[in-house]
Amino acid sequence: GQQLNQSPQSMFIQEGEDVSMNCTSSSIFNTWLWYKQDPGEGPVLLIALYKAGELTSNGRLTAQFGITRKDSFLNISASIPSDVGIYFCAGSTSGTYKYIFGTGTRLKVLA
Amino acid sequence: DAGVIQSPRHEVTEMGQEVTLRCKPISGHNSLFWYRQTMMRGLELLIYFNNNVPIDDSGMPEDRFSAKMPNASFSTLKIQPSEPRDSAVYFCASSPQGARGYTFGSGTRLTVV
Repeated sequence: GQQLNQSPQSMFIQEGEDVSMNCTSSSIFNTWLWYKQDPGEGPVLLIALYKAGELTSNGRLTAQFGITRKDSFLNISASIPSDVGIYFCAGSTSGTYKYIFGTGTRLKVLA
Repeated sequence: DAGVIQSPRHEVTEMGQEVTLRCKPISGHNSLFWYRQTMMRGLELLIYFNNNVPIDDSGMPEDRFSAKMPNASFSTLKIQPSEPRDSAVYFCASSPQGARGYTFGSGTRLTVV
C-alpha cells in the first residue's frame, strides 16, 4: 500500500540531546498524526494536527503541520532512555478514518 | 479503561489451517479497524467497521481473509486457509465516532509455517 516517507529511518542519540524527524508525502493531507510504538505493543497516539502551520506540544514532544500540507515534523527535546521506540507519522486526506502510515523512524537513545 | 483487547497475543499455525483473531474494542467506540504490520509493507488498513457495519474492506488482501463484527464489543478476523506470507502482526484499533486518530490494541503476532 501507499506509504509516507519518514526520515531518518533510524538514529542513535545521546541522552539529553534533542531529536528531529520528518514525514513527507506527495499528497496533501488534512490531518497529521504522530504515534510511538514500543516493542511488542501497538502504536500509541502522541500528537494530532488539524491545520496547516499548526504547532502542538505534548510534554517534551512538539509536532508541526507543514505549511504545504505535504509534510509534518516531530521534535523531542532532552531525550531520555524511554524515548526509545519507533515513531510513525500518519496522514489523512479526508480527515476521517483512513490514515496512511509512514515507514517509521527507529530511535535509540544511548545513556 | 482496559483499552483495546486482542487475543491471542501470539499464534503459530501450519499452512492451510484456519486462523481466527479476536478483538474487543473500547466500550463506547463505534469505529473499529483491523491493520496488518510487516517489515516490508509497514502498517496497512485491512478493514474498517462503523457501528458494526463493514464500511471499507478494500485493504483485505484476498478472499482468504474475512472479518465480522457481530456486536459492538467483538470483532474477528479470519484467515482460511492460512499461508506463510500471512505472517505478520495484526492490530485491532477503535475510536469514537468522528475522532481523529484511534487506539490500537497490543496486536496478535501470527506465524504461519
